[in-house]
Amino acid sequence: GDSVTQKQGQVTLSEDDFLFINCTYSTTTYPTLLWYVQYLGQGPQLLLKVTTANNKGISRGFEATYDKGTTSFHLQKASVQESDSAVYFCALDRYGSSGNKLIFGIGTLLSVKP
Amino acid sequence: EAAVTQSPRNKVAVTGGKVTLSCNQTNNHNNMYWYRQDTGHGLRLIHYSYGAGSTEKGDIPDGYKASRPSQENFSLILELATPSQTSVYFCASGDYRGYSGNTLYFGEGSRLIVV
Repeated sequence: GDSVTQKQGQVTLSEDDFLFINCTYSTTTYPTLLWYVQYLGQGPQLLLKVTTANNKGISRGFEATYDKGTTSFHLQKASVQESDSAVYFCALDRYGSSGNKLIFGIGTLLSVKP
Repeated sequence: EAAVTQSPRNKVAVTGGKVTLSCNQTNNHNNMYWYRQDTGHGLRLIHYSYGAGSTEKGDIPDGYKASRPSQENFSLILELATPSQTSVYFCASGDYRGYSGNTLYFGEGSRLIVV
């Protein structure tokens, strides 16, 4: 069945460090791949999405790239700030159903030290 | 501004008791979802709905029921609560967008403790 694997449970960085979070997926349909961010005490919110048509998404300084060959899509940011501290979820949205069901990874807790 | 509101935000229930978590959305979205969030598991889909009167089982529906009486409201019901259902529950709404995918709008969560 469809699945998403996000192995990094926690990442600790200092301000201005480079961020890289990897996610792999498995599906038999055309995927839309998404990254959601959850700040402390809030619900998750969409950060960016990548489709098979565009291969890349950019939002708020974050960039996500999709690699069909390795069935992976990773999230990166050149220079993190303390305000980026949050939980980041990758998610798979499967095209072909009248109502989409997202499958989420386990989430990566990013802690950025000032 | 998209809005999904959940109630109660915090709840302590006794084992074997009935719990109802409520969700209201003002986005006029057709689809609504209930997820639970647990450390090491991320967000897991319990039930979802395509519109008023419809409910569908998600990936972990056992022990839960759902009700969608109207476009705006979607409830999650635990008829006989158990300690394993202690979790944070999130409601979300969204609309189907084909290749563009489905952006979900989440509420702020309901923290449930079953003792």
